[in-house]
Amino acid sequence: GAVVSQHPSWVICKSGTSVKIECRSLDFQATTMFWYRQFPKQSLMLMATSNEGSKATYEQGVEKDKFLINHASLTLSTLTVTSAHPEDSSFYICSAPRSGLWGSNQPQHFGDGTRLSIL
Amino acid sequence: DAKTTQPNSMESNEEEPVHLPCNHSTISGTDYIHWYRQLPSQGPEYVIHGLTSNVNNRMASLAIAEDRKSSTLILHRATLRDAAVYYCIPRIRNTDKLIFGTGTRLQVFP
Repeated sequence: GAVVSQHPSWVICKSGTSVKIECRSLDFQATTMFWYRQFPKQSLMLMATSNEGSKATYEQGVEKDKFLINHASLTLSTLTVTSAHPEDSSFYICSAPRSGLWGSNQPQHFGDGTRLSIL
Repeated sequence: DAKTTQPNSMESNEEEPVHLPCNHSTISGTDYIHWYRQLPSQGPEYVIHGLTSNVNNRMASLAIAEDRKSSTLILHRATLRDAAVYYCIPRIRNTDKLIFGTGTRLQVFP
């Protein structure tokens, strides 16, 4: 079946570092991908919609200069957490619906998430 | 976006059926009802979805109330692997966005 892959699975880095997370659709094309983040014992919070070939759309309250999204191909979206600080430590998850199967009748495929820890 | 109400937690014994309820009284007539689950330390996975009729697949069954203001996810025989947080999500027509609520944490005991 369809698979979405995230890399890395987890990362630990020092405060002030920028961290890039990749989200790939392995056997289908995705013109749209979504980025979520999840704090411990909380639900997923939608951060932004990644659009292939155009600018990402950010949810209210999400800093676009802090969380840079690039969707340069039909199978890859990247999220860069710039100048990360301890409060950015979280579980980041991407998802993608199959392109061409339009509408709310289609399931989405999620990556396994990236656990980011900023020291 | 339609609001959902789910119990915070539920418990079941292994091999027993589990009925997970969800209220979505503000759902519009064209919103599909999707269910996802999230196992510990993993991304969510799709379970099932429906519009008006009851639906079955290899994972679960979905019973949708006639007025569509509520639905119930049915796991026919719970296994330990079914322990997860289950999310009921009304999915807005013409959009791929999924807005997650708080979900129901299901514990399964041997």
